[in-house]
Amino acid sequence: DTGVSQDPRHKITKRGQNVTFRCDPISEHNRLYWYRQTLGQGPEFLTYFQNEAQLEKSRLLSDRFSAERPKGSFSTLEIQRTEQGDSAMYLCASSLVATPPETQYFGPGTRLLVL
Amino acid sequence: AQKITQTQPGMFVQEKEAVTLDCTYDTSDPSYGLFWYKQPSSGEMIFLIYQGSYDQQNATEGRYSLNFQKARKSANLVISASQLGDSAMYFCAMSHSGGYQKVTFGTGTKLQVIP
Repeated sequence: DTGVSQDPRHKITKRGQNVTFRCDPISEHNRLYWYRQTLGQGPEFLTYFQNEAQLEKSRLLSDRFSAERPKGSFSTLEIQRTEQGDSAMYLCASSLVATPPETQYFGPGTRLLVL
Repeated sequence: AQKITQTQPGMFVQEKEAVTLDCTYDTSDPSYGLFWYKQPSSGEMIFLIYQGSYDQQNATEGRYSLNFQKARKSANLVISASQLGDSAMYFCAMSHSGGYQKVTFGTGTKLQVIP
């Protein structure tokens, strides 16, 4: 399977704990995106990388959130001191900068439940 | 600000019939892209179809077609010959002009195909 992969698929944690999610994009894709999706809503943009550079962060991404893409390949999203409001699906997508359309391809997501 | 509106929270369609899922958008950008994604219960967002704002013809991909009416700012998805496997959430989305493809999603329409 050469699509976008995410790990873990599900995570249950207690409030106050730290969690880290991993995303492996499609190998030749140089852009990587993180989205958050809550129940009954569409995905909301969190942050975006082009290669290893983090070029945009949403206001939704509080100081407790940090994302990295150290070698321009896989990316991690860490949430520190989790809160119940962080419970959501975290989606990763990747795309290739090219002539339009630049289509984002999504992974299966990580479902986070904070107790 | 860009906005996507999907006014149908849920839709039913008989197997083998066609169905139209509504999407309207609002943007002041002259250049934008419109996407439809399918999200089964497993959670993965599956890209279906793309329409560029300057495309003269409506996009088609197999059983999917996009009814693009620029003056009305609508981008409805038409699924022909519905199949049971089409039961899922469907999201309309818009990419913004600029240096990267930040995508804004609607709230989705849940489609259920009845045998």
